[in-house]
Amino acid sequence: DAKTTQPPSMDCAEGRAANLPCNHSTISGNEYVYWYRQIHSQGPQYIIHGLKNNETNEMASLIITEDRKSSTLILPHATLRDTAVYYCIVRGLNTGFQKLVFGTGTRLLVSP
Amino acid sequence: DADVTQTPRNRITKTGKRIMLECSQTKGHDRMYWYRQDPGLGLRLIYYSFDVKDINKGEISDGYSVSRQAQAKFSLSLESAIPNQTALYFCATSDRQGNYGYTFGSGTRLTVV
Repeated sequence: DAKTTQPPSMDCAEGRAANLPCNHSTISGNEYVYWYRQIHSQGPQYIIHGLKNNETNEMASLIITEDRKSSTLILPHATLRDTAVYYCIVRGLNTGFQKLVFGTGTRLLVSP
Repeated sequence: DADVTQTPRNRITKTGKRIMLECSQTKGHDRMYWYRQDPGLGLRLIYYSFDVKDINKGEISDGYSVSRQAQAKFSLSLESAIPNQTALYFCATSDRQGNYGYTFGSGTRLTVV
């Protein structure tokens, strides 16, 4: 699975959009970009995933660059409950062994 | 009820004791996983199971064993607990393709003294 690079920490004001970047320059053609988050000591929570088109669900939007070497997770109106560590993971679908590799992620702090 | 339930939530045990962590799921997923999380080390895979008869070691299986009692139940045992097994343990499930992500339990905080 391709390696990802994320900033260690980011701050965001409550109610503003939080834009979390991820670099995955070695991503291969059949690999998807997944985002998870982990609120303090809770189990990681799946947020969204995508291949090359932008994706949106009730939690967030995912913007993937045309060359697929980077992506941005957008939380459109961050709340205090969005304070968490966000993990960007790249992996292929339908692989025989579905190991998730969690890096160190980005610690997002949402402040009032 | 949570989709993936882990028991106990917290446990303190003594060195050398045998302890079992239990996980049950209502997702109907075939695949189940046990992860361990230590500060600064992220999540590491201990064991995974693709179905009741298919159990595999992960990257840090030494000192651990597992049992897949049913599709919905996957337990992790520490045969003789040692202090460096103090960690946060997570159970997770996924469907066969895992295309829509993993579902994690709330975790078990284990302390070995």
